[in-house]
Amino acid sequence: QKEVEQNSGPLSVPEGAIASLNCTYSDRGSQSFFWYRQYSGKSPELIMFIYSNGDKEDGRFTAQLNKASQYVSLLIRDSQPSDSATYLCAVNRGSSNTGKLIFGQGTTLQVKP
Amino acid sequence: DTGVSQDPRHKITKRGQNVTFRCDPISEHNRLYWYRQTLGQGPEFLTYFQNEAQLEKSRLLSDRFSAERPKGSFSTLEIQRTEQGDSAMYLCASSLDEGQPQHFGDGTRLSIL
Repeated sequence: QKEVEQNSGPLSVPEGAIASLNCTYSDRGSQSFFWYRQYSGKSPELIMFIYSNGDKEDGRFTAQLNKASQYVSLLIRDSQPSDSATYLCAVNRGSSNTGKLIFGQGTTLQVKP
Repeated sequence: DTGVSQDPRHKITKRGQNVTFRCDPISEHNRLYWYRQTLGQGPEFLTYFQNEAQLEKSRLLSDRFSAERPKGSFSTLEIQRTEQGDSAMYLCASSLDEGQPQHFGDGTRLSIL
């Protein structure tokens, strides 16, 4: 079992729709959760982070965390073609005090005009 | 606020040669991380520094790899006797402290001929 799992996709949604990206993790002690967006050939760009159970909203983005289910998700409202990218889920395991991130393999999102 | 800076952006070299990459973190960020990313995968942790101290190295980091952060500011990653399998994107990230969001540089793409 991978430590952080994401469906590689591609996930295809029409412009204006809600895109839902999901991630599960295996270390129950994980404490910090991050979503990065990565365009082809570019480096990861931080878009959201969440530490507590529940929802966190920032503009069109909402991160949702459920520690009991070991599940974190990212919702993108009013999806735009410019949102087409790979979305990486990253977790800071609680058993590590280094802060190093464990990444999923990423989900490719395609927003079609 | 200047972001994380990496140099060079691209490096092409012959197998067996040594290469060195540089990373300048965001000023006042105490933690500096190196990751490696191959096509279709999420970044994988290599090593990290708290100020000038290298506090953890991944098993991925063979004896051919060495990293330094001599004055707690910029860092270098050296690969000796490069191999085909070293071809990847090498990413540097920095953060204020453990668990805080990590911000990535543009990366150095290494190609081994």
